[in-house]
Amino acid sequence: DQQVKQNSPSLSVQEGRISILNCDYTNSMFDYFLWYKKYPAEGPTFLISISSIKDKNEDGRFTVFLNKSAKHLSLHIVPSQPGDSAVYFCAARLSNFGNEKLTFGTGTRLTIIP
Amino acid sequence: NAGVTQTPKFRVLKTGQSMTLLCAQDMNHEYMYWYRQDPGMGLRLIHYSVGEGTTAKGEVPDGYNVSRLKKQNFLLGLESAAPSQTSVYFCASRIPLQAGSTDTQYFGPGTRLTVL
Repeated sequence: DQQVKQNSPSLSVQEGRISILNCDYTNSMFDYFLWYKKYPAEGPTFLISISSIKDKNEDGRFTVFLNKSAKHLSLHIVPSQPGDSAVYFCAARLSNFGNEKLTFGTGTRLTIIP
Repeated sequence: NAGVTQTPKFRVLKTGQSMTLLCAQDMNHEYMYWYRQDPGMGLRLIHYSVGEGTTAKGEVPDGYNVSRLKKQNFLLGLESAAPSQTSVYFCASRIPLQAGSTDTQYFGPGTRLTVL
């Protein structure tokens, strides 16, 4: 039972354009969401997060949007750069019991085309 | 400040052999985690620890054991390796949940394990 889903295994975007990565979740008890970025042969690194009390969080070129009613979040990267080519994981945390754990999606491989 | 380190980086085992993966962190984090990453499966939690001397099962604990004898170290053991345990293993750590914290987990570089 995949509670956090990233339905697009891969995405290719032209350099300079907007990259939009999507994530859906099923558990309404998730209250905090994160995006991690992973380069080959390295561990994931934290990128940006959002609390369920917000619908948008922005950090430079990266913006995360949360639609609680649709149980959907998205990561926007504008403008996309070659260094953004990586695998992106979304993750979610429960609001109370079990909030020490994160549930990860399956990842989306983003390729930025120069 | 090395962050989270993992030993070894690569290992090849034969079916039935045992081994221990070591994770060390120098950030004084309370919480530590072991994940495995497989193609199309994302990161799945194997075991985790919320403090020295404590461990708990994650999503896919079967075939693995863990120990947290020291706060800075979290060991993952495979008693009798199976080909299904071929994977990339990541360790992570973080501070306990605090008001205003980003709840960030810091990951190690991974251990690539192949079981023949």
